[in-house]
Amino acid sequence: GQNIDQPTEMTATEGAIVQINCTYQTSGFNGLFWYQQHAGEAPTFLSYNVLDGLEEKGRFSSFLSRSKGYSYLLLKELQMKDSASYLCAVRNFNKFYFGSGTKLNVKP
Amino acid sequence: DTEVTQTPKHLVMGMTNKKSLKCEQHMGHRAMYWYKQKAKKPPELMFVYSYEKLSINESVPSRFSPECPNSSLLNLHLHALQPEDSALYLCASSQGGRTSGRITGEQYFGPGTRLTVT
Repeated sequence: GQNIDQPTEMTATEGAIVQINCTYQTSGFNGLFWYQQHAGEAPTFLSYNVLDGLEEKGRFSSFLSRSKGYSYLLLKELQMKDSASYLCAVRNFNKFYFGSGTKLNVKP
Repeated sequence: DTEVTQTPKHLVMGMTNKKSLKCEQHMGHRAMYWYKQKAKKPPELMFVYSYEKLSINESVPSRFSPECPNSSLLNLHLHALQPEDSALYLCASSQGGRTSGRITGEQYFGPGTRLTVT
């Protein structure tokens, strides 16, 4: 089976840095993806790791350790509009398996 | 352009109706997906098309029937649905791999169709 775990909810302050963790145990691995989803809207692609290490895209960075089955999404200089759910997804060949998502609340 | 479009945005249908959801992308992606998403839950994979051929059906009931008329279009035909089928239906696309139909790259999602079955 596939098991992808994320914290359910996190709260952080505007301007701060927050790290959202994701651990996974899957029967195969072809990449780990992070998506942002605002309530009632479709997921938006943020970042993608297939090799170990850090990928940086503006205010967002994602890290992967395949040996540990672990990834994190780092959001810097938090803004109120970053309040959303963040989904971790593992690709196994033609399938994407999603974690339950982490709801991030950004407060002033 | 990373746009996937879906129509309609909202759909209300009775249990005896037949309706179709439509999805379109012009990114040259060769893999297209249908997902179902309930409130506060992650997207659940329903179907995957790779190079216009159905490659994955996640044991979806036959009242849902996918169709891929060409590499840019994906339809989901609905018939005799149940109230529990009410959900947000998301279409996505990604680049297709060139060996063994493997799918590579990230997925881009459409805005979804909010379906209510009465």
